[in-house]
Amino acid sequence: AQTVTQSQPEMSVQEAETVTLSCTYDTSESDYYLFWYKQPPSRQMILVIRQEAYKQQNATENRFSVNFQKAAKSFSLKISDSQLGDAAMYFCAYRSASSASKIIFGSGTRLSIRP
Amino acid sequence: GAVVSQHPSWVICKSGTSVKIECRSLDFQATTMFWYRQFPKQSLMLMATSNEGSKATYEQGVEKDKFLINHASLTLSTLTVTSAHPEDSSFYICRATVYYGYTFGSGTRLTVV
Repeated sequence: AQTVTQSQPEMSVQEAETVTLSCTYDTSESDYYLFWYKQPPSRQMILVIRQEAYKQQNATENRFSVNFQKAAKSFSLKISDSQLGDAAMYFCAYRSASSASKIIFGSGTRLSIRP
Repeated sequence: GAVVSQHPSWVICKSGTSVKIECRSLDFQATTMFWYRQFPKQSLMLMATSNEGSKATYEQGVEKDKFLINHASLTLSTLTVTSAHPEDSSFYICRATVYYGYTFGSGTRLTVV
């Protein structure tokens, strides 16, 4: 069975600085998708970034980028130039390419931004 | 982008009563809807998967008779918490699959007193 582990329950970063959130996963599959979701205080789940396992190039979305290490089964999220609006819970998630239904979420990392 | 409208956003009910939560897909057809439960400071746990016109598939440990799911149309899926108890208090979120990925409802905070 696949698992997703986020070892940092809480992180804090100074505004305008860079922070990296860690995520590791376990799977025997070779084709899958990885996601980072943001859940602000409103509780709305917002997709931050997505990575296809078959792509070697790390995904980037503006200030958000990932470091995808397939062999190490690691998928960290880097937030550059942190802004107050980045404060939220961040969930790492895994989805098998063969199943569009089940998404496995990590336990989450609560990110706070210090002004 | 595609939107899933979830209502109510919060509800308080008395123990023993039933509560219905609705998720409507706006401007698209959601043949499948996923229902999650989230306890405070915890992750999302999949409860069940509903498919339009057929019975829902429940995850292990989820009581089918307590959490009734109906997906009678391509745009509406409902979750009814029957005979609610304080331990059912939680945050419930629905999710639909769209062509570019997934879209979540805004969630329902249920408090049973």
